[in-house]
Amino acid sequence: DVKVTQSSRYLVKRTGEKVFLECVQDMDHENMFWYRQDPGLGLRLIYFSYDVKMKEKGDIPEGYSVSREKKERFSLILESASTNQTSMYLCASSFRRGYTDTQYFGPGTRLTVL
Amino acid sequence: DQQVKQNSPSLSVQEGRISILNCDYTNSMFDYFLWYKKYPAEGPTFLISISSIKDKNEDGRFTVFLNKSAKHLSLHIVPSQPGDSAVYFCAASEIQGAQKLVFGQGTRLTINP
Repeated sequence: DVKVTQSSRYLVKRTGEKVFLECVQDMDHENMFWYRQDPGLGLRLIYFSYDVKMKEKGDIPEGYSVSREKKERFSLILESASTNQTSMYLCASSFRRGYTDTQYFGPGTRLTVL
Repeated sequence: DQQVKQNSPSLSVQEGRISILNCDYTNSMFDYFLWYKKYPAEGPTFLISISSIKDKNEDGRFTVFLNKSAKHLSLHIVPSQPGDSAVYFCAASEIQGAQKLVFGQGTRLTINP
């Protein structure tokens, strides 16, 4: 069974703080992703990574950065948190097999920025 | 620009009846489509997928239909059960491109006993 874990389920931070969200997967997947989920907007891709030390911008990268130093771990960094970054953050991983692009998601981190 | 659209934010269906969730897309390069199901306080879980070389894929109570000419897909659940109550997301990808998935806004399905 694939397991994707996220470091916190709930997080409350203040405006201007630096925030780290950690994600770990245990299935040796090459691909890892960070999304945010907001009502009426669905899941929007922030950043993704195909390999260690490799990253690609998603659809909404502004205000975020990422780090992938090890294959199993993908970190999302909010350099200076703002109230509009209050959201549910979801990490996912995938291993490409033929036509299967199935992504496996973690439970999410509900971040509130005050 | 929303490339994948789920125009119904919510749907209510009686237990035992058929649930039909709809999804439209605009990008003609999409050729692989997936449905995910999400319960509150959990991450989305993969439900069923379909490649553009097919027009139907079935897995138990779940069937996905793809109409490429209309750029439309639908998820049928029959019979609907109370445990099917969740938010359903449609997603699409370009096989030849990046591993990215583009998600719709989601439809909240409620199954009434």
